[in-house]
Amino acid sequence: DAKTTQPPSMDCAEGRAANLPCNHSTISGNEYVYWYRQIHSQGPQYIIHGLKNNETNEMASLIITEDRKSSTLILPHATLRDTAVYYCIVRVFSGSARQLTFGSGTQLTVLP
Amino acid sequence: DSGVTQTPKHLITATGQRVTLRCSPRSGDLSVYWYQQSLDQGLQFLIQYYNGEERAKGNILERFSAQQFPDLHSELNLSSLELGDSALYFCASSSTGGAGQPQHFGDGTRLSIL
Repeated sequence: DAKTTQPPSMDCAEGRAANLPCNHSTISGNEYVYWYRQIHSQGPQYIIHGLKNNETNEMASLIITEDRKSSTLILPHATLRDTAVYYCIVRVFSGSARQLTFGSGTQLTVLP
Repeated sequence: DSGVTQTPKHLITATGQRVTLRCSPRSGDLSVYWYQQSLDQGLQFLIQYYNGEERAKGNILERFSAQQFPDLHSELNLSSLELGDSALYFCASSSTGGAGQPQHFGDGTRLSIL
């Protein structure tokens, strides 16, 4: 699986959009981008995933660049409950089952 | 609520002992994954089962073993426990073993070795 690079920490004001970047310059054509978050030692929570098109669900939007070498997770209106470690993970979508490989993630702190 | 249930939530035991952690996957999910999270190692994949059979193995110690039962629940057995085994143990499930399916995690079991 391709490696990802994320900033170790970010702050965001409550009510503003939080934009979390992820670099995955070695991504292959058969790899998805997944985003998870972990709130204070709870189980990681699935947020969203995508292949090449932008994706949106009730939690967030995922913007993937045309060359797929980077992506941005957008939380449109951050709340204090969004404070968490956010993990960007790249993983193949075909072939045999694969586990998730977690890096260090980005600690997002939403400030009141 | 992810739908993945792990028991117990907390476990305190001594070195040399053996414990069993239990995981019930989301309804309909056939694949179960086990992960370990310690302070200095982050989240590490241990092992995966799909419909009762071992599918993939990660950095799982020989002292650790797992199985998935016909009702699809899974158990992780840890034996000859050492202080360094103190960690959070998470179970995740997905509908198939396919890599395209997102995994959904339980709230974990916190294991403390005294």
